[in-house]
Amino acid sequence: KNEVEQSPQNLTAQEGEFITINCSYSVGISALHWLQQHPGGGIVSLFMLSSGKKKHGRLIATINIQEKHSSLHITASHPRDSAVYICAVNSGGGADGLTFGKGTHLIIQP
Amino acid sequence: GAGVSQSPSNKVTEKGKDVELRCDPISGHTALYWYRQSLGQGLEFLIYFQGNSAPDKSGLPSDRFSAERTGGSVSTLTIQRTQQEDSAVYLCASSLMRHLTDTQYFGPGTRLTVL
Repeated sequence: KNEVEQSPQNLTAQEGEFITINCSYSVGISALHWLQQHPGGGIVSLFMLSSGKKKHGRLIATINIQEKHSSLHITASHPRDSAVYICAVNSGGGADGLTFGKGTHLIIQP
Repeated sequence: GAGVSQSPSNKVTEKGKDVELRCDPISGHTALYWYRQSLGQGLEFLIYFQGNSAPDKSGLPSDRFSAERTGGSVSTLTIQRTQQEDSAVYLCASSLMRHLTDTQYFGPGTRLTVL
């Protein structure tokens, strides 16, 4: 079973700061997902990646397959970025659901 | 509808009763997933459908849990003889194809409280 570890668990930063959230997993994967969950509970998929780097607006996600590690970066952070960010992996091999990290609770203060 | 919908949004039931949770995936999405999010437990996978069949039931926590999908669309998750530890938010997601690298689109969830 894949173990997904995220760090930090909680992060409070000031508006404008550069944010990094890390995710490590124990077993090879077919894809890694970054999800965002707002206080209301809805989950939105931010990125899905299997190699390299993806960018969308102020969000950047990278993955290193050899090191089994991914990072999510937020540039010029804003209070509306406050949410729980969840890393999840598809392990493949018949396990068709996602395995989730416990999430990083991010608060951006104005 | 534009997104995944779930009903009811909230369900309060008494211990021992059966409950049914419904998921309407995005039209045309062939893959459908059920997850649950318990306080302090994070998100966990329950079951996956490809069309109407469920090739992976490994995440169902006990035989009190079952799910079906009809017509390749709507899915129902049934919990029999509910227990207090079943209290959680049950989330449904769908994706266009079975491919493991497809983006999954999540519904708003059903918050189940077992008294």
